[in-house]
Amino acid sequence: DAGVTQSPTHLIKTRGQQVTLRCSPKSGHDTVSWYQQALGQGPQFIFQYYEEEERQRGNFPDRFSGHQFPNYSSELNVNALLLGDSALYLCASSLGTQNYEQYFGPGTRLTVT
Amino acid sequence: RKEVEQDPGPFNVPEGATVAFNCTYSNSASQSFFWYRQDCRKEPKLLMSVYSSGNEDGRFTAQLNRASQYISLLIRDSKLSDSATYLCVVNIGGNTPLVFGKGTRLSVIA
Repeated sequence: DAGVTQSPTHLIKTRGQQVTLRCSPKSGHDTVSWYQQALGQGPQFIFQYYEEEERQRGNFPDRFSGHQFPNYSSELNVNALLLGDSALYLCASSLGTQNYEQYFGPGTRLTVT
Repeated sequence: RKEVEQDPGPFNVPEGATVAFNCTYSNSASQSFFWYRQDCRKEPKLLMSVYSSGNEDGRFTAQLNRASQYISLLIRDSKLSDSATYLCVVNIGGNTPLVFGKGTRLSVIA
């Protein structure tokens, strides 16, 4: 039973660039949520995708966008990268949108220089 | 006031000690409560849900006090492998997102 997978593991980008992060949910799950975790902080909710639509959004600017595919996998896109976007980006999957029993992937560590 | 507040620690305790973590939440409409464990540079993993009646899982006991908007996690007989950051998580129910505290770091020392 495959768990949540994310790619890439690590990424280094320059200010102003764009980045795409990928997530495949746990087998049987249909909902993907994205979180940003800065060093020394708890994860902060970015948005959630269900049925290929953004269902909820946290307090993040429009530079953060996403997509969900028919196979439930998801992408997180960040445009015009800022130094402050350096963080661990976590994907969590669940069944339905009730947000119980979320399973996290190993994350993508993004460094913006 | 932050939605979920935790003592950041670190808590440095010897093996075999009992340690308690506290967490307060600001939204009285909160419905669901969890403790997650996060090892260094790893993803958070669900440790246990917290129920109104309190619940226990081996050496771990979680308590909820809705009147005080307070959640606790007690770890008995600490092991070296318990060293991690413990995240308090709250949800107001329905399809609202999980809200995480900053986490409390625990180091168990031999």
